[in-house]
Amino acid sequence: AQTVTQSQPEMSVQEAETVTLSCTYDTSENNYYLFWYKQPPSRQMILVIRQEAYKQQNATENRFSVNFQKAAKSFSLKISDSQLGDTAMYFCAFMPTYTGANSKLTFGKGITLSVRP
Amino acid sequence: DVKVTQSSRYLVKRTGEKVFLECVQDMDHENMFWYRQDPGLGLRLIYFSYDVKMKEKGDIPEGYSVSREKKERFSLILESASTNQTSMYLCATKSYNNEQFFGPGTRLTVL
Repeated sequence: AQTVTQSQPEMSVQEAETVTLSCTYDTSENNYYLFWYKQPPSRQMILVIRQEAYKQQNATENRFSVNFQKAAKSFSLKISDSQLGDTAMYFCAFMPTYTGANSKLTFGKGITLSVRP
Repeated sequence: DVKVTQSSRYLVKRTGEKVFLECVQDMDHENMFWYRQDPGLGLRLIYFSYDVKMKEKGDIPEGYSVSREKKERFSLILESASTNQTSMYLCATKSYNNEQFFGPGTRLTVL
């Protein structure tokens, strides 16, 4: 079974600064996906960024980037130039690559990020 | 854009009532999921379905059942609601490239 750990329940950052959200996971699988999802207050959960485990290059989406350390089973999210709209709960999630009915997400407990004006 | 809709944003029911939560998607995705979200516990998978009339238990299926009679619709059923089922319920679909798309959620309160 896979587990995903987000050890920090909440963080705060000043607008325009950079913040890093931590995530570790445990699995015996070699091929998998990792995701960061964002859930703004009272709004729908959306995908922020994804990483395939076989890719060595860290994924980047505009101001969002990851630091993927496969050997350490670590997957942190860096948000650069933080904006007020980044205030949300962020979830780290894991999914094995194999197709079929068992390919489902395992989520961490989430971290609440507040961006201060 | 993928659209996942849920029948209610807020729902209040009484203990012992039968409760139906409906989820509809418009992107022809085969896989659909029901999660509950509780503070400090993250998202936990209740049930999922990988095809019409097919279902599999997730991590916390007790007290719930599901129905998938049509590809676009996935229903979560609480046969006899209890106060410990007060929670936020999220429906999601999974695309061919393994991205999950979520509905807006239903906040259920059982009194």
